[in-house]
Amino acid sequence: QKEVEQDPGPLSVPEGAIVSLNCTYSNSAFQYFMWYRQYSRKGPELLMYTYSSGNKEDGRFTAQVDKSSKYISLFIRDSQPSDSATYLCAMSDIYNFNKFYFGSGTKLNVKP
Amino acid sequence: NAGVTQTPKFQVLKTGQSMTLQCAQDMNHEYMSWYRQDPGMGLRLIHYSVGAGITDQGEVPNGYNVSRSTTEDFPLRLLSAAPSQTSVYFCASSYSPGPPDTQYFGPGTRLTVL
Repeated sequence: QKEVEQDPGPLSVPEGAIVSLNCTYSNSAFQYFMWYRQYSRKGPELLMYTYSSGNKEDGRFTAQVDKSSKYISLFIRDSQPSDSATYLCAMSDIYNFNKFYFGSGTKLNVKP
Repeated sequence: NAGVTQTPKFQVLKTGQSMTLQCAQDMNHEYMSWYRQDPGMGLRLIHYSVGAGITDQGEVPNGYNVSRSTTEDFPLRLLSAAPSQTSVYFCASSYSPGPPDTQYFGPGTRLTVL
């Protein structure tokens, strides 16, 4: 079983829609949760980072962590065509916080 | 700042050949790491370093060697290339090896092993 599971998509939505991206994980020691955005043929870039449970908001992006369900989400409000990319979740635990475990990524297409 | 640079951008090897993927950063970052990205597998950590002279294994270290003689450079060596090592390789760096500081990724090296 993979440490982190993520639906690969693709997910296609119209411009302005609310997008929900999700990951599940199996390691209860994970405490650091990150979302990366990766454009085609580019390296990933960090979007948001949360520690332990709760919500974090940054502009149109909201990250949620539900540790009891081992489930994290990224919401994108008022999605734009420029949001079209692959979104990867990543996690690490308190014992080996240098080691990051990534999901396989969800490809998002926002149609104008 | 150039950020994180990787060379080469593309490489084709034959089975059994060796090569070194170069990674450099000019941000004085202590933490550097190498990942491979395969379809459906996401990014998997190969090796990482928390500072010059200190390296450790990640999730998929077999077949790869690293060393960190300077803060700026973190080369990845393939000792005897195999078709299973066909992948896109990303180098990343961050200022702190502690709880996730922003990791900056390089543009990647696309490697094909025939």
